[in-house]
Amino acid sequence: DIQLTQSPSFLSASVGDRVTITCRASQGISSYLAWYQQKPGKAPKLLIYAASTLQSGVPSRFSGSGSGTEFTLTISSLQPEDFATYYCQQLNSYSLTFGGGTKVEIK
Amino acid sequence: QVQLVQSGSELKKPGASVKVSCKASGYTFTSYAMNWVRQAPGQGLEWMGWINTNTGNPTYAQGFTGRFVFSLDTSVSTAYLQISSLKAEDTAVYYCARDRVIAARPGAGDYWGQGTLVTVSS
Repeated sequence: DIQLTQSPSFLSASVGDRVTITCRASQGISSYLAWYQQKPGKAPKLLIYAASTLQSGVPSRFSGSGSGTEFTLTISSLQPEDFATYYCQQLNSYSLTFGGGTKVEIK
Repeated sequence: QVQLVQSGSELKKPGASVKVSCKASGYTFTSYAMNWVRQAPGQGLEWMGWINTNTGNPTYAQGFTGRFVFSLDTSVSTAYLQISSLKAEDTAVYYCARDRVIAARPGAGDYWGQGTLVTVSS
């Protein structure tokens, strides 16, 4: 299976900060990567698919980039509602996998 | 509007079985594959596998073979996850998630059920 490593696993930031989360794949996955946001007690929410395409309804402060083995999720100006855990997911193989998650907390 | 509504929380004893349902509405059920995802308490997301809702063919991720079964009842637009011989380590929230696109392979989940907590305890 393709392994995904997210970094950092924990991030403390302030409202208005620019935040970047990295996801590295154990082998090349082209642009077959999605990002999700999950808040406590809630189901994950799809933010980005195909590495950089914003899901309908997701604010434009979220953006994704990368291809191959290295990907980033950027939040350009962190808002109070963005404090959550973020996961990447590879969609390249027929056996999908998630990264370990990055928890974004208030500084 | 697309909705996935899952069955309620379950408390089971070790060795028992459980069947979780995921009822879909607002779209053509057989057009989009359904994924299943597990989240143990305080842990991350694990992709369990998917079921092709057109053919009924399930595919299981490593670690989810043998005791886990995906099934469908297309007459009521519902997907099911059955877990047999339950163990304490099966305690988790289980989610169903609809594939974002119509395809013959698993993909990103654009709509998710609310999750079903399965607790296994003697």
